[in-house]
Amino acid sequence: QSALTQPASVSGSPGQSITISCTGTRSDVGGYNFVSWYQQHPGKAPKLTIYDVRTRPSGVSNRFSGSKSGNTASLTISGLQAEDEADYYCSSYTSSTTLGVFGGGTKLTVL
Amino acid sequence: EVQLVQSGAEVKKPGDSLKISCKGSGYSFTSYWIGWVRQMPGKGLEWMGIIYPTDSDTRYSPSFRGQVTISVDKSISTAYLQWSSLKASDTAMYYCARRGVSGGGVDYWGQGTLVTVSS
Repeated sequence: QSALTQPASVSGSPGQSITISCTGTRSDVGGYNFVSWYQQHPGKAPKLTIYDVRTRPSGVSNRFSGSKSGNTASLTISGLQAEDEADYYCSSYTSSTTLGVFGGGTKLTVL
Repeated sequence: EVQLVQSGAEVKKPGDSLKISCKGSGYSFTSYWIGWVRQMPGKGLEWMGIIYPTDSDTRYSPSFRGQVTISVDKSISTAYLQWSSLKASDTAMYYCARRGVSGGGVDYWGQGTLVTVSS
């Protein structure tokens, strides 16, 4: 059982927008603005996509955006492209452990 | 350019020992926590533990404490993950990761080391 809850899968057609949710508690997502999102293509290492809830690292497309409301963080991808098909993981700082926690991951399928 | 380069894939038998490595370059190695993340086949990411190269301060996930040892040789900018007695259930991809983002987030990942344990 992962500490953060994500949907197992989401899908969308090219050009559409999708949102992936990441639900935690007041001890992690809800209590701190330290939520990160990672994109992982098959056979590849994860890649930082969003950090501090909504900040995009240099080089990441502005089609990716992050937000948070209460204990739930969200990753939105607009203008879906075939290359966005991947697994996405959220993570958060938590007061329970210095290591942090990951979500269980969401498989994005571009139809 | 920041890089974390991990050692190559390993095939071991149950009961074998193993030490895999992660060499950092392109940044001040002692300035960032380095962590190890496990990904079992078809599964998600799990923190195993983290280490601060400056003083070797190490923190383990309760799930991995006593099962693995994390160490570092700051003179060669390299972190290690080792097992004294592998089990088949240790079969997984292992990533090292630089915690360079607020709240312990990861900004750089190694390419991963696949460990296969089979009799």
